[in-house]
Amino acid sequence: ETGVTQTPRHLVMGMTNKKSLKCEQHLGHNAMYWYKQSAKKPLELMFVYNFKEQTENNSVPSRFSPECPNSSHLFLHLHTLQPEDSALYLCASSQKSQGNLQETQYFGPGTRLLVL
Amino acid sequence: AQKVTQAQTEISVVEKEDVTLDCVYETRDTTYYLFWYKQPPSGELVFLIRRNSFDEQNEISGRYSWNFQKSTSSFNFTITASQVVDSAVYFCALSAPFSGGYNKLIFGAGTRLAVHP
Repeated sequence: ETGVTQTPRHLVMGMTNKKSLKCEQHLGHNAMYWYKQSAKKPLELMFVYNFKEQTENNSVPSRFSPECPNSSHLFLHLHTLQPEDSALYLCASSQKSQGNLQETQYFGPGTRLLVL
Repeated sequence: AQKVTQAQTEISVVEKEDVTLDCVYETRDTTYYLFWYKQPPSGELVFLIRRNSFDEQNEISGRYSWNFQKSTSSFNFTITASQVVDSAVYFCALSAPFSGGYNKLIFGAGTRLAVHP
């Protein structure tokens, strides 16, 4: 596998379910990101991880819980979601250097989530 | 505050036409980077180009070209001789300093391009 992979590609869940989204990057990068893309809003950054440490939580509700066990894997644990959480969830990775703005983020194919 | 505006929501062209996608940005930073990404129906965001704020040279890559004009805060993207495979949503993004020494990508709303045979 190359680049950034995400599983599952599609997910339907009820509001009382608990599920997890998985992201894996094969680029040797040290930073990973979760983005949300919904029909009504532009792409929104949710979380940033650097070397397994969460460095940013962009005011995301606690029903979304990220986990980064190592620099190659990133999870997004979901519980008691609402229908408005239905969206495309995109994972990205980049090579973070100190004070470097030019890093390019590479994205996975996304998980299309539908909450019923 | 940083902001990216893509005023064109949807564009429809016939194959072989040239098409320009507009991008206007706002930032108070003197150093920043601009990006274009393509999102085909499969959903993945595909990186197309990165341009820094100090380099105003236009860039050409095959049928793609980019026009960066700092004076008008614009970073427009032109596809020459469009093809059906160019049909996708195109996003312009601005990279700016964020907390923890990270940069944050601020995306425009995207322009949906439909190329018809």
